[in-house]
Amino acid sequence: GAVVSQHPSWVICKSGTSVKIECRSLDFQATTMFWYRQFPKQSLMLMATSNEGSKATYEQGVEKDKFLINHASLTLSTLTVTSAHPEDSSFYICSARDGGGDFYEQYFGPGTRLTVT
Amino acid sequence: GQNIDQPTEMTATEGAIVQINCTYQTSGFNGLFWYQQHAGEAPTFLSYNVLDGLEEKGRFSSFLSRSKGYSYLLLKELQMKDSASYLCAVRDSNYQLIWGAGTKLIIKP
Repeated sequence: GAVVSQHPSWVICKSGTSVKIECRSLDFQATTMFWYRQFPKQSLMLMATSNEGSKATYEQGVEKDKFLINHASLTLSTLTVTSAHPEDSSFYICSARDGGGDFYEQYFGPGTRLTVT
Repeated sequence: GQNIDQPTEMTATEGAIVQINCTYQTSGFNGLFWYQQHAGEAPTFLSYNVLDGLEEKGRFSSFLSRSKGYSYLLLKELQMKDSASYLCAVRDSNYQLIWGAGTKLIIKP
């Protein structure tokens, strides 16, 4: 099956610093990748949709200057949390869509737990 | 607006059967997904329904009624490892996934 990896799996950073999270599709080309955030005991919240070679589309309420998304290739998308604050501490999950045919399933990465101190 | 409703929490006994319901109101419909998510992990795909009826996959089955905006996930022969959150998601007319808040399923011995 399709595999999506994320790196790092967890990260602790100090308030005010920036953190980059990588999302890779290992055995398929992902024209579209999605970035989600999940707070404890809550459902997934879509942050942005990233299409290869173009600017990401951010959901309402998500600051694009704070959450920088780059999707430079068909297998890699990165999310950079700039000037992180404790309220940014969350579980960040990416997913990738294996386009083609009628069935566009999203494959999820294992997630990155970010803790900002 | 778009809305997906599912129960917050359910409890069932090991070996039993449990049905998790999901109702939805979305702008357009291009399929309904069920995902399983264990605590601290990413969701994993369980099932996909785009036509009315029942899809069976081993111990798990998923049902869809588009006219009623309704789906359920049926889990049979429950095992302790089935304790997890179950997320219902609907793909709308823009092929965006709209997520429910998830149902936490607790399995008791």
